[in-house]
Amino acid sequence: DIQLTQSPSSQSASVGDRVTITCRAGQNIHGYLNWYQQKPGSAPKLLISAASSLKSGVPSRFSAFGSGTDFSLTISNLQPEDFATYYCQQSYSTPYTFGGGTKVDMK
Amino acid sequence: EVQLEESGGGLIQPGGSLRLSCAVSGLSITNKYIAWVRQAPGKGLEWVSISYSADSADYAASVKGRFTVSRDTPRNTVHFHLATLRDEDTAVYYCARVGGLGLPLDDWGQGTRVIVAS
Repeated sequence: DIQLTQSPSSQSASVGDRVTITCRAGQNIHGYLNWYQQKPGSAPKLLISAASSLKSGVPSRFSAFGSGTDFSLTISNLQPEDFATYYCQQSYSTPYTFGGGTKVDMK
Repeated sequence: EVQLEESGGGLIQPGGSLRLSCAVSGLSITNKYIAWVRQAPGKGLEWVSISYSADSADYAASVKGRFTVSRDTPRNTVHFHLATLRDEDTAVYYCARVGGLGLPLDDWGQGTRVIVAS
């Protein structure tokens, strides 16, 4: 199984901050990396697919890049609705594992 | 608009069985991949299964041999048959439509809760 290591596991931030989350894969996953946002009591929502492709309707303050084994998600100008938990997921080979999650909460 | 709606969760004793359903609207499940993801209380997301077609699926090692996926194409519904349930299967189970480039989980249902307890 391909292990995904997300860091940090939690981050406190303020509105307007820039937040970066990293995701490292245990092997080369060739860009098959997706990012999700989940708020308490709700299903996850896709933000970014294929390492850097922003889903339609997702604000442009979300961006991501990476390839091979190292990936990152950046939220520029953090907004109140962005406080949530973020997960990376690899879709290179089954099982399509998730990272452990990064909780972004209010400082 | 694509919508997915899970049903069938509940309280079940260890060793028991349960059938979850994922009703899809807004597109035909024919030629579409549908995945199942679960989330134990207070924990992260765990990928569980993917249904490629009516007769092809893949499973996480933790559920292989106990869980199976089937499709009711006329009803545009995917079923997830959970058997020999264990305490550690307690979770919210989500179904999700697998998208195109990069095979992301594009659309999700709201989840159905399964509690395995005696």
